[in-house]
Amino acid sequence: EPEVTQTPSHQVTQMGQEVILRCVPISNHLYFYWYRQILGQKVEFLVSFYNNEISEKSEIFDDQFSVERPDGSNFTLKIRSTKLEDSAMYFCASSYQGLLNTEAFFGQGTRLTVV
Amino acid sequence: AQSVTQPDIHITVSEGASLELRCNYSYGATPYLFWYVQSPGQGLQLLLKYFSGDTLVQGIKGFEAEFKRSQSSFNLRKPSVHWSDAAEYFCAVATMEYGNKLVFGAGTILRVKS
Repeated sequence: EPEVTQTPSHQVTQMGQEVILRCVPISNHLYFYWYRQILGQKVEFLVSFYNNEISEKSEIFDDQFSVERPDGSNFTLKIRSTKLEDSAMYFCASSYQGLLNTEAFFGQGTRLTVV
Repeated sequence: AQSVTQPDIHITVSEGASLELRCNYSYGATPYLFWYVQSPGQGLQLLLKYFSGDTLVQGIKGFEAEFKRSQSSFNLRKPSVHWSDAAEYFCAVATMEYGNKLVFGAGTILRVKS
């Protein structure tokens, strides 16, 4: 069964460093997403990506964050100058169409710890 | 404010007992409704979804959910719980007015006692 894969599963980084979280969405999907879950809090939307550009982003997704689809298979989330409060589980997801037509499939998540 | 509410943070049921997890939403537009499950150390797995049609939907692992528009609810049920169902369950909603993204409830942690 096709699945969304994320690497690494855990990442520890020093405050102020840049991190790149990687995702391989399901191959025929057209919409890609990043969500995050701070420990003990809700899963929150960060950004959606379609047709090689950001289609929507939340207030959380400020200039510190960026996304890229560098080739036909990978979808990355870059966090510049990480802060302690960026520590969270980050989930990548993909869907074939928009969420009003089809479901999103999520990866296993990357647990980011900023120290 | 638009929101998704899962009123129960923790639920404990005995193995073999029935289960109902509650989910309420507050959106004016037609909702598109989902239940996801997260086992320890795992990602979010889709259990079932509702887009339109029959308001009782069947999902994987023996789960079902019923959409009740009058109550703004989408409760998840299972007639007989197995120990392997212990996990955290998330209700999520998408609506046209909120765009192409999911809004999640806070989750309900299910414990199963033998």
